Amino acid sequence: ETGVTQTPRHLVMGMTNKKSLKCEQHLGHNAMYWYKQSAKKPLELMFVYSLEERVENNSVPSRFSPECPNSSHLFLHLHTLQPEDSALYLCASSQDFVQGRFNQPQHFGDGTRLSIL
Amino acid sequence: AQSVTQLDSHVSVSEGTPVLLRCNYSSSYSPSLFWYVQHPNKGLQLLLKYTSAATLVKGINGFEAEFKKSETSFHLTKPSAHMSDAAEYFCVVSVSGTYKYIFGTGTRLKVLA
Repeated sequence: ETGVTQTPRHLVMGMTNKKSLKCEQHLGHNAMYWYKQSAKKPLELMFVYSLEERVENNSVPSRFSPECPNSSHLFLHLHTLQPEDSALYLCASSQDFVQGRFNQPQHFGDGTRLSIL
Repeated sequence: AQSVTQLDSHVSVSEGTPVLLRCNYSSSYSPSLFWYVQHPNKGLQLLLKYTSAATLVKGINGFEAEFKKSETSFHLTKPSAHMSDAAEYFCVVSVSGTYKYIFGTGTRLKVLA
């Protein structure tokens, strides 16, 4: 059983809709990540939060808006998406790295399969 | 700059035979390396990690990997494949001094009955 839970597992939406993806971790971690996994492409890091502060925004279009209200929850708000945004969106968490504790393994959820009509 | 190359996009083995999934890395510093597995419709699960301790790393489900600095390799092995091992496997190197991962393009393992 994963310690990182993502909902919904599947989402179909039109290009004009607004929806949100949710991620919750039960591992006591303080860093959380959003990744995009498209077919035949390496995983793309989208956003990183450490201690609830955004530390990475990897040139992601503004139609994706992250929110981290506390260290256990992470959201990805979606609006006016494009067909090329169809992908598996993965959330991950790790121990925080602000004290130089890098190389902590990341733990992933099962993802949200997003399809844009 | 760090990079990682998975040498095979697909590997097929018979059940009960050894598994070898190959990974080469490039790093200016002593790297941290990971192997993850992804089953269909699932997220990535950590199999094992190397962080400059023992060069032979044992992971879950009978997998292990050996760090070879002279060959810049971190190949994943298992003595005897099981049907449940069929999945996609990712070799990952962490960017030194950061939280960033660099993912390989994945190797899809097929296990034949």
